[in-house]
Amino acid sequence: GAVVSQHPSWVICKSGTSVKIECRSLDFQATTMFWYRQFPKQSLMLMATSNEGSKATYEQGVEKDKFLINHASLTLSTLTVTSAHPEDSSFYICSARVSSTGVYEQYFGPGTRLTVT
Amino acid sequence: AQSVTQLGSHVSVSEGALVLLRCNYSSSVPPYLFWYVQYPNQGLQLLLKYTSAATLVKGINGFEAEFKKSETSFHLTKPSAHMSDAAEYFCAVSPAAGNKLTFGGGTRVLVKP
Repeated sequence: GAVVSQHPSWVICKSGTSVKIECRSLDFQATTMFWYRQFPKQSLMLMATSNEGSKATYEQGVEKDKFLINHASLTLSTLTVTSAHPEDSSFYICSARVSSTGVYEQYFGPGTRLTVT
Repeated sequence: AQSVTQLGSHVSVSEGALVLLRCNYSSSVPPYLFWYVQYPNQGLQLLLKYTSAATLVKGINGFEAEFKKSETSFHLTKPSAHMSDAAEYFCAVSPAAGNKLTFGGGTRVLVKP
């Protein structure tokens, strides 16, 4: 149980275009999902918290107009990188929050590698 | 505010030897602490978690960690390294009241035959 998928697993796009990344909880419902980015050989940095049916909460320094997050259902959150530039190339990982024995846990997706040329 | 420091970005161990990965945290509230493992080009897998119950936590794949409040540490150990343990390991902290995770910088483990 508690499987999270991401699609696509990797994507190459041209500078100036937009790309959408999907995060799905396959066997559970998640009112809250998180989006992280990870640069090569670095740690994960939280970008935003995605709440079903409401606006996402962005971390300081993350441009909300550039990284559009939509959490329209209890099993799907999407991250759209708008007007992508090479510096947006990164590994994007989502997670879904689940309550287990009274404690929240995060289950992570396999990640999406974005390369902007 | 919370922060996590992992001492040593790279650790090299021989197969069969002890694995010790260090993690120190800073938290203004009682923390929840986690260790995750990441294999290349994959997401994170939870190894174990501390949630204010037993201070010695056992996880998957033979790993365990001990919460030491006086030292603000949560070091990860495994008595005998296996080749399959080669991966990146992340320590993370979240406030007891929520679960926004703050990650340490990660430690890459290399296992030598």
